[in-house]
Amino acid sequence: EAEVAQSPRYKITEKSQAVAFWCDPISGHATLYWYRQILGQGPELLVQFQDESVVDDSQLPKDRFSAERLKGVDSTLKIQPAELGDSAMYLCASRKRRQGGEDEQFFGPGTRLTVL
Amino acid sequence: GDSVTQMEGPVTLSEEAFLTINCTYTATGYPSLFWYVQYPGEGLQLLLKATKADDKGSNKGFEATYRKETTSFHLEKGSVQVSDSAVYFCALHDSWGKLQFGAGTQVVVTP
Repeated sequence: EAEVAQSPRYKITEKSQAVAFWCDPISGHATLYWYRQILGQGPELLVQFQDESVVDDSQLPKDRFSAERLKGVDSTLKIQPAELGDSAMYLCASRKRRQGGEDEQFFGPGTRLTVL
Repeated sequence: GDSVTQMEGPVTLSEEAFLTINCTYTATGYPSLFWYVQYPGEGLQLLLKATKADDKGSNKGFEATYRKETTSFHLEKGSVQVSDSAVYFCALHDSWGKLQFGAGTQVVVTP
């Protein structure tokens, strides 16, 4: 069964350092999402890609976060510099359709980031 | 904007007890509604969904009915097992493919 892959699963870093997370969506899925899940809360969308284009990054802190999906397949989310408040689970999800419709988003296992 | 409110946890139950997790939503139009489950150390998995009023989603003994008149989508299971211990998220899905999640409800089932 196809799955969304993420790496690393766990990352510990010191504040002011740079970190990067990688996501490989299910093959053929046009839309890719990055979510941040703070402990005890629901996931919040950071950025949504349709193929290689960003369609929603309204909640992405652009002074320190960046995301790319250069070939419309896998994606990288970067934080530079990391701050203590960035400690959270970062989830990647993908769905087959580009927009509209009711098809399911499939989530990866997440990367748990701890900033010391 | 669209939002989801669900009951706070943790909800602690004994095995074979009846589970209800309340979820209400605020939205323009009639969004699709979902319940996701997150087991410890894992990502989210879709548990069930309903796409229009009066639809009932069901999976693994869980059920939820889309109630337009009360803007609710409460999750129920008649007899929980220890393996149902997890965090449950109610969510709505807008027409652009964007999910809005509730804060999650932790369920702990004891033997």
